[in-house]
Amino acid sequence: DAGITQSPRHKVTETGTPVTLRCHQTENHRYMYWYRQDPGHGLRLIHYSYGVKDTDKGEVSDGYSVSRSKTEDFLLTLESATSSQTSVYFCAISRSTGSEETQYFGPGTRLLVL
Amino acid sequence: AQSVSQHNHHVILSEAASLELGCNYSYGGTVNLFWYVQYPGQHLQLLLKYFSGDPLVKGIKGFEAEFIKSKFSFNLRKPSVQWSDTAEYFCAVGSNSGAGSYQLTFGKGTKLSVIP
Repeated sequence: DAGITQSPRHKVTETGTPVTLRCHQTENHRYMYWYRQDPGHGLRLIHYSYGVKDTDKGEVSDGYSVSRSKTEDFLLTLESATSSQTSVYFCAISRSTGSEETQYFGPGTRLLVL
Repeated sequence: AQSVSQHNHHVILSEAASLELGCNYSYGGTVNLFWYVQYPGQHLQLLLKYFSGDPLVKGIKGFEAEFIKSKFSFNLRKPSVQWSDTAEYFCAVGSNSGAGSYQLTFGKGTKLSVIP
């Protein structure tokens, strides 16, 4: 258990509406990540954060923005949701042991955009 | 950029059969390799990981994987599967990004169905 919670766990929304997903961690990790999981694509990185107010884009960042105003929370916003953003969204933290980094995942948020 | 290939999309086995899931990566530098498992309706859980040292890595639940550098492979094995191993398995390659963070590149996953 990596002390990660995600909210909401399920959401149905309509095309064109903004949506914000929250990832909360309790272990004070510096690095946090947002992935989306789609059948046949595995997990793809959307955005990541390497500290408070420090974020960068991943492989599939178009249509998404993130914010990290405090260490424990990493927010993912779909600025104007589209049906192609229907997916399962996973947050992850990176836990390091010396030079070895291992990512651990939250329970996921299932988003349906109608 | 690195890529990860998992050659089998769906594998169906009977209980007690042996399992080997293929994973190949393309990356010229030092690699860190991972296998994650996702049981139905759940999040990804770490099965095992390789950073350095002994190329034969043992993980949880009787799984192991062998890193073969010359073949760019990190295949997952289990000598005898159980019905409870039914899940989707993801191979991933880790690398450091320019911003100093550590990023994973995932394969597309292999679904394993174990028939009782």
